[in-house]
Amino acid sequence: QSVLTQPPSVSGAPGQRVTISCTGSSSNIGAGYDVHWYQQLPGTAPKLLIYGNSNRPSGVPDRFSGSKSGTSASLAITGLQAEDEADYYCQSYDSSLSGSRVFGTGTKVTVL
Amino acid sequence: QVQLVQSGAEVKKPGASVKVSCKASGYTFTSYDINWVRQATGQGLEWMGWMNPNSGNTGYAQKFQGRVTMTRNTSISTAYMELSSLRSEDTAVYYCAVVAGTASFSWFDPWGQGTLVTVSS
Repeated sequence: QSVLTQPPSVSGAPGQRVTISCTGSSSNIGAGYDVHWYQQLPGTAPKLLIYGNSNRPSGVPDRFSGSKSGTSASLAITGLQAEDEADYYCQSYDSSLSGSRVFGTGTKVTVL
Repeated sequence: QVQLVQSGAEVKKPGASVKVSCKASGYTFTSYDINWVRQATGQGLEWMGWMNPNSGNTGYAQKFQGRVTMTRNTSISTAYMELSSLRSEDTAVYYCAVVAGTASFSWFDPWGQGTLVTVSS
């Protein structure tokens, strides 16, 4: 069971901006642990999109950006493109579950 | 480049065990933890546990304690995840992933391609 909550789906037209929220608690995001984001294209393994709340790995377009505040984090996609249609997951660490990494519930992004 | 290549799909009967392998290349295998994550069809990602390939130390999610064992063979840069007492709910794609960053501020990159484990009588 996921301890980080994301909206099941978001959608937007090409070129629009969409945001995905990731809501946690005082034992994970609110405790100061970093949030990371992954993109999972259909039928493939997850791929790192954002690490350390707001850092993009080499090769990830700057259309993707991340932020964190309090017990929540957000992923924004600006200039939405057809190839952005995928599932997105946030991930953090939870101190109440020894050594445990935790994932968000996942969000399906649909490009209209 | 850093790459993880996993073993092929498996079909197991309820009560059996499965052992999935994850061969690393492109980096020093003992330098970074390997974690395992699974994903049931149409569902989200579920963290299973971690292993330090250098020491062999492991840590498992409470849900899998007593049923999962993570090991490694450093001579061939390969990590293993064995899950026992399989039930239908264990049908999922199992991923290995390299951990980057430090301890509680770490992330997964890259991931293996995934191994489908089907549990069916």
